[in-house]
Amino acid sequence: KAGVTQTPRYLIKTRGQQVTLSCSPISGHRSVSWYQQTPGQGLQFLFEYFSETQRNKGNFPGRFSGRQFSNSRSEMNVSTLELGDSALYLCASSLGYRSSGNTIYFGEGSWLTVV
Amino acid sequence: AQTVTQSQPEMSVQEAETVTLSCTYDTSESDYYLFWYKQPPSRQMILVIRQEAYKQQNATENRFSVNFQKAAKSFSLKISDSQLGDAAMYFCAYRSPNSGGSNYKLTFGKGTLLTVNP
Repeated sequence: KAGVTQTPRYLIKTRGQQVTLSCSPISGHRSVSWYQQTPGQGLQFLFEYFSETQRNKGNFPGRFSGRQFSNSRSEMNVSTLELGDSALYLCASSLGYRSSGNTIYFGEGSWLTVV
Repeated sequence: AQTVTQSQPEMSVQEAETVTLSCTYDTSESDYYLFWYKQPPSRQMILVIRQEAYKQQNATENRFSVNFQKAAKSFSLKISDSQLGDAAMYFCAYRSPNSGGSNYKLTFGKGTLLTVNP
C-alpha cells in the first residue's frame, strides 16, 4: 500500500512568485492536513481538509490556501512568496471517520526555498 | 488552545542503554490523543507510539514505551536497548478527539534531538 506522496520534493522559487504543492493521501484516507516546518517556528499546522471541505485552519496569512479534490488528493498554494516561506511542507493523511483515534501518516515533505 | 512542551532540546544515550524523553502538555479537554513521532535525517515523520487519554494503561511498542500521567499532563517516552537507528529528532504531539472527520490537527512540541553513541 503506497504511503502519502508529495510532489515536488524540492523546489526553488523567487520572491513574489507563487507555488503549488501536491499531496496524494494513502488510498482510502479522506482527511488531509498540511504542516509547515521551519527551524525557528518548528512544526505548525496550516490546514485540514475532509471530504473536499476545509475543516480547520492554522494561523497563517491568506497567501496560504489549499483545496481537496473528490479523490482526496490535496494541493496547497502559496502566493506572493516571501523569504520566510522557505520551509519543509509536510502533508499528512488519515482515515477521517468518526470512529476516531485514526493514526495520522506523513509524507516525505516538499522542500521549498525562496530566494 | 493546547500547548506541548519538550524541555530537552538534545539528549544523548549510549548504544544498548535506556533513555527517557520528556513531554508535558496543557489542555482543558478530558479526552485526547498523544503521540511520539520520530523524524530521521530523511525528514519523514514516523509514528513511534500513541496513547489514548481514556486508557490508563501505558502504551508500549517493542522497545518503546510511555509513562502517561494524565493528572500531571505528562507523557514521557522511554527507549530501551537504544540502537544507532534510533538517532533522530523526536516530537511529542497532541490531538483533540475528532468530530465528524474533523480535528485531525496535531500540536507539536519543539522536539528533542536524540544522539546514540556507539
